[in-house]
Amino acid sequence: AQSVSQHNHHVILSEAASLELGCNYSYGGTVNLFWYVQYPGQHLQLLLKYFSGDPLVKGIKGFEAEFIKSKFSFNLRKPSVQWSDTAEYFCAVRSSGGSYIPTFGRGTSLIVHP
Amino acid sequence: GAVVSQHPSWVICKSGTSVKIECRSLDFQATTMFWYRQFPKQSLMLMATSNEGSKATYEQGVEKDKFLINHASLTLSTLTVTSAHPEDSSFYICSAEAGSYNEQFFGPGTRLTVL
Repeated sequence: AQSVSQHNHHVILSEAASLELGCNYSYGGTVNLFWYVQYPGQHLQLLLKYFSGDPLVKGIKGFEAEFIKSKFSFNLRKPSVQWSDTAEYFCAVRSSGGSYIPTFGRGTSLIVHP
Repeated sequence: GAVVSQHPSWVICKSGTSVKIECRSLDFQATTMFWYRQFPKQSLMLMATSNEGSKATYEQGVEKDKFLINHASLTLSTLTVTSAHPEDSSFYICSAEAGSYNEQFFGPGTRLTVL
């Protein structure tokens, strides 16, 4: 069964700091990778996704993620965070071996201090 | 982006009663809808996958007779929690997708509290 690990459960940063959130998945077949964000009191929305092609994916609000197949990773990055980035971030995987059933990581809570 | 609504946004019920939660895709036809349960400070746990016109596929450990899912149209799926008990109290979230294995659009969730 596929699984997703997000190693950073809670991250606290000051504005303008750089951000990197880790995401590792277990399945080695064809994968579709996603990062979702859940702002306080709001529903989940897509930040970015990777299906194929350029492993460096750019998403909304200045976020990007890099797919490193050899490391089974899809880490999320942002060079300079803002207070408004305070939210819960979820990595998700859909793989051919898992019948493309979505599997989510447990989430990372990011707090950005102004 | 596509919009998914859920109704109600919160519900409080007595133990033993049944509760129905609706999930609607407002501006697109959803070939597949997913139902999740989210516990505080935890991830989304997929409960079942629902395809229009066919029976839902439940994840291991999810009681299909307790969590009844109906996907009668391409824009509506319902989750009925039958004979609810306090341990069923949770945040239930649905999502919908228009194509295969693609981006999911999430509803705002329904907070269920069973007394």
